[in-house]
Amino acid sequence: RKEVEQDPGPFNVPEGATVAFNCTYSNSASQSFFWYRQDCRKEPKLLMSVYSSGNEDGRFTAQLNRASQYISLLIRDSKLSDSATYLCVVSSGTYKYIFGTGTRLKVLA
Amino acid sequence: DTEVTQTPKHLVMGMTNKKSLKCEQHMGHRAMYWYKQKAKKPPELMFVYSYEKLSINESVPSRFSPECPNSSLLNLHLHALQPEDSALYLCASSQDYAGSPFNEQFFGPGTRLTVL
Repeated sequence: RKEVEQDPGPFNVPEGATVAFNCTYSNSASQSFFWYRQDCRKEPKLLMSVYSSGNEDGRFTAQLNRASQYISLLIRDSKLSDSATYLCVVSSGTYKYIFGTGTRLKVLA
Repeated sequence: DTEVTQTPKHLVMGMTNKKSLKCEQHMGHRAMYWYKQKAKKPPELMFVYSYEKLSINESVPSRFSPECPNSSLLNLHLHALQPEDSALYLCASSQDYAGSPFNEQFFGPGTRLTVL
């Protein structure tokens, strides 16, 4: 079983739709959780850290469920510019950040 | 300023060449990382420097040689590479270790390397 798993997609959604991604992790000692977005041939850019109580940044909401060992990302009112690959990243408190394989999102006009 | 810079943006080299990739950050971060990323795959960790000392080497072949001249700079020296080493090489930095949700990594734009 991979340490961090994501549905690779692609998720094709119309503009204005709400879309949610999940990411499961296997190490129960994991302490830090992040969502990054990566555009084609560009570097990963931090979208948001995921806090225990959940957090929101504009149209984006991240949740952590420690009991079931998953994190989620909800995108409301999808824009064309949201089309990208979304990477889930988990760390257990060392210098190793474990990346999921990424979920591809395509927002359609 | 959350900027990590990398040079060059693109590099084409032959298998007998020696070249270096450079990375710089001025955020006062004490951990710096090299990752390799192939198309449609997530970044793979190669090396981690913390407080200018090599902390992690993920069994990377010796044809890749990292160097951390000071807390702001990170180099990756390349020698006798193979065509399969062609990839996007990403540098990243973070405040310190990954023990808190506030210790995000910030990535540079990468160097796209082609080995002929």
